Amino acid sequence: AQSVSQHNHHVILSEAASLELGCNYSYGGTVNLFWYVQYPGQHLQLLLKYFSGDPLVKGIKGFEAEFIKSKFSFNLRKPSVQWSDTAEYFCAVSISGAGSYQLTFGKGTKLSVIP
Amino acid sequence: DADVTQTPRNRITKTGKRIMLECSQTKGHDRMYWYRQDPGLGLRLIYYSFDVKDINKGEISDGYSVSRQAQAKFSLSLESAIPNQTALYFCATSGSQGGTGELFFGEGSRLTVL
Repeated sequence: AQSVSQHNHHVILSEAASLELGCNYSYGGTVNLFWYVQYPGQHLQLLLKYFSGDPLVKGIKGFEAEFIKSKFSFNLRKPSVQWSDTAEYFCAVSISGAGSYQLTFGKGTKLSVIP
Repeated sequence: DADVTQTPRNRITKTGKRIMLECSQTKGHDRMYWYRQDPGLGLRLIYYSFDVKDINKGEISDGYSVSRQAQAKFSLSLESAIPNQTALYFCATSGSQGGTGELFFGEGSRLTVL
């Protein structure tokens, strides 16, 4: 079974700082990769996703992520964070293919942005 | 209106009580899921269903049961609630085409078991 590791439990940044959240997965085959965001008191929303093609994926609100297959990584980045980016971020992976059914989530990284 | 609707949004109950959380969707998806979220543990899959006649256990199904009443409805039951089932529960849906696994979540149901 696949698993997902998120390296940081809580990250605190000042506005305009750059962000990188780490995500590594364990599965030797082809995967689909996702980052979800959960704003305080809300449900999870898709931030960006990777299925195939260009390993640099751009999502909403200026976020991007890079898939590095050799490192089994899918790190999330943003050049300049805003206070409104305060949220919890979840990396997730599913096995690619017609039989794919289960999204496995990391434990999440809480981001606090200080004005 | 939300595409994935959960009821109730908040519920406080006592140990031993039977609780049902309901989920309905208008996305036309055939796959539905129940997850629970606990601080520091992320989301863990309780049950999932590929269609009305297909129900599968997830990684933490003990103490829970589900019913897929129709393609658009998937309910989660706690037969005899216990305090460590206090959590935020999310229903989610996905389409089967392409098998990408992208999920669409409901607003969540916060359950407190005293």
